[in-house]
Amino acid sequence: QQPVQSPQAVILREGEDAVINCSSSKALYSVHWYRQKHGEAPVFLMILLKGGEQKGHEKISASFNEKKQQSSLYLTASQLSYSGTYFCGTDVSGGYNKLIFGAGTRLAVHP
Amino acid sequence: GAVVSQHPSWVICKSGTSVKIECRSLDFQATTMFWYRQFPKQSLMLMATSNEGSKATYEQGVEKDKFLINHASLTLSTLTVTSAHPEDSSFYICSARPGLADGNTIYFGEGSWLTVV
Repeated sequence: QQPVQSPQAVILREGEDAVINCSSSKALYSVHWYRQKHGEAPVFLMILLKGGEQKGHEKISASFNEKKQQSSLYLTASQLSYSGTYFCGTDVSGGYNKLIFGAGTRLAVHP
Repeated sequence: GAVVSQHPSWVICKSGTSVKIECRSLDFQATTMFWYRQFPKQSLMLMATSNEGSKATYEQGVEKDKFLINHASLTLSTLTVTSAHPEDSSFYICSARPGLADGNTIYFGEGSWLTVV
């Protein structure tokens, strides 16, 4: 049931772009993206509910494919503050927000 | 915005003792809260679903007698780690969501670091 995230780790220079993928063998009710910095709680980025949906938050955006089995998080013109571990959480409770998280993608942005 | 608060943030306890962690929704009511555990450099692992006024639902492999969950009110859930051992040392974090409408943000508490010595 755990979604598969890729890549496991990404190293970027400031200003570069990255894509993080999250996939499941079954259609998902929703996908939630979070960023977590070391020693801190996860911070909510966005939620996708509908197949084909795309939404953005500043320079961070995400998509949910039509079959609702894959989501991608796009980080453009990365900043140092983007460093952290990104998790996708998939709702396995049909809307009651019982989330199962992927293994995470560690992103390091260097000057 | 909605805030979920956890207490304590850090706790060190002796092996064999019990530790209680509180999760509060500060400005909304939450009939359901979730408890997660996270080991260093690993993902968040769902432990149990805390239901107000009824028994918690535990995930497979999580010992219900060791991790006692009480959801006594619409704004408070507690996790008690009983007879703690060093292998229980971890980051414990709760989550809750205001309202039932789709698309509502799920808020996480700040997390609680437990160290068992």
